[in-house]
Amino acid sequence: QVTLKESGPALVKPTQTLRLTCTFSGFSLRTSGMRVSWIRQPPGKALEWLARIDWDDDKFYSTSLKTRLTISKDTSKNQVVLTMTNMDPVDTATYYCARTDGGIFDDWGQGALVTVSS
Amino acid sequence: ETVLTQSPGTLSLSPGERATLSCRASQSVRTSFLAWYQQKPGQAPRLLIFATSSRATGIPDRFSGSGSGTDFTLTISRVEPEDFAVYYCQQYWSSPPTYTFGQGTKLEIK
Repeated sequence: QVTLKESGPALVKPTQTLRLTCTFSGFSLRTSGMRVSWIRQPPGKALEWLARIDWDDDKFYSTSLKTRLTISKDTSKNQVVLTMTNMDPVDTATYYCARTDGGIFDDWGQGALVTVSS
Repeated sequence: ETVLTQSPGTLSLSPGERATLSCRASQSVRTSFLAWYQQKPGQAPRLLIFATSSRATGIPDRFSGSGSGTDFTLTISRVEPEDFAVYYCQQYWSSPPTYTFGQGTKLEIK
């Protein structure tokens, strides 16, 4: 059974850096073909893909946010970490991690709501 | 970057009716890279359909997908009470990898 869970601060101040951790089970990022993505959703709005990391440590980012994002993995802990710099109130959203099978997100975490406010 | 436009924004139907949701792309999408998700309030999205017309594991056969090129459709043959939710289409571009979602269609009880 595949599970994913996001963790991190619920509240960050403008200009701060956000660090989110996705802890997963039921698969390994050592396995060829495995990938994990981060996706976010502002309240009442649509989904937005942010970043993806692959089993071979390839990393891909949203064009509009790539200067602010870093994705990394710790295979020994079954974790993927996303950092986003220079947070702004418009970055207030629920942040999801998801197992990614090529072009689709087939398993999702429950999401972590992050509010950006002073 | 491919933009996905979903219509209608809101669809009001009664249980038992047929639902037809549209997703139009700004440029041609490979059928193998078009998916649909269902999201209920307070929950994460759930994969319904991948590769345009393949149902994900455990998805009832009242859900079906079709389309090609720039026009794709999700159909629910007879809407059940548990189907009222928001539906998103999503496409994948492989080089370099990027993913985009539509803005969603809300299926609500009439």
